[in-house]
Amino acid sequence: DTGVSQDPRHKITKRGQNVTFRCDPISEHNRLYWYRQTLGQGPEFLTYFQNEAQLEKSRLLSDRFSAERPKGSFSTLEIQRTEQGDSAMYLCASSWTLTGSGIKDEQYFGPGTRLTVT
Amino acid sequence: GNSVTQMEGPVTLSEEAFLTINCTYTATGYPSLFWYVQYPGEGLQLLLKATKADDKGSNKGFEATYRKETTSFHLEKGSVQVSDSAVYFCALIRNAGGTSYGKLTFGQGTILTVHP
Repeated sequence: DTGVSQDPRHKITKRGQNVTFRCDPISEHNRLYWYRQTLGQGPEFLTYFQNEAQLEKSRLLSDRFSAERPKGSFSTLEIQRTEQGDSAMYLCASSWTLTGSGIKDEQYFGPGTRLTVT
Repeated sequence: GNSVTQMEGPVTLSEEAFLTINCTYTATGYPSLFWYVQYPGEGLQLLLKATKADDKGSNKGFEATYRKETTSFHLEKGSVQVSDSAVYFCALIRNAGGTSYGKLTFGQGTILTVHP
């Protein structure tokens, strides 16, 4: 079990540029989540996938944000036309959750990607 | 909607002191409740969980009991160590029909500093 990995760990970009982050979940996990955390706050939910299906998106996820999980394994989060308000830590988590099998919703988090928009 | 409120911090204690971090929640139905910990420079780690009323989650000397009547899930430890210094987050997931709605709703976090 290698844990959840995220790449890159740090990204500095200029306002207006596009950025893409990658998350590799724990291999047998079927759910993958994206959260955003700003300084001094708890993480806020952005979106999640069950296998390759995107099941829920937060209202925080504006049209500039898009997430994919094309083969039900790794996921990418893209931010287009970045703004300074996008500066945050972007966290990925995964879990093994079977519908109807009981509540197995322990989410395991990666180290995060810290985005700084200048 | 769902929400989690944690006691305002930061909390500063001496080693071997008793720790309580308060957490209350608002949610429909019967959520699962969690405590996550974030050590300096590291990612979020699940500390403990409870999935139904009166359940007690425990790990590494930390405990929390799911109190539906007071909608609370306070974190306690009898004797803290310097190595417990971290940020602690209370969180919930809404459940229905035996399955999870997926997204964690977090409190704002409580910074704990333990001095020798």
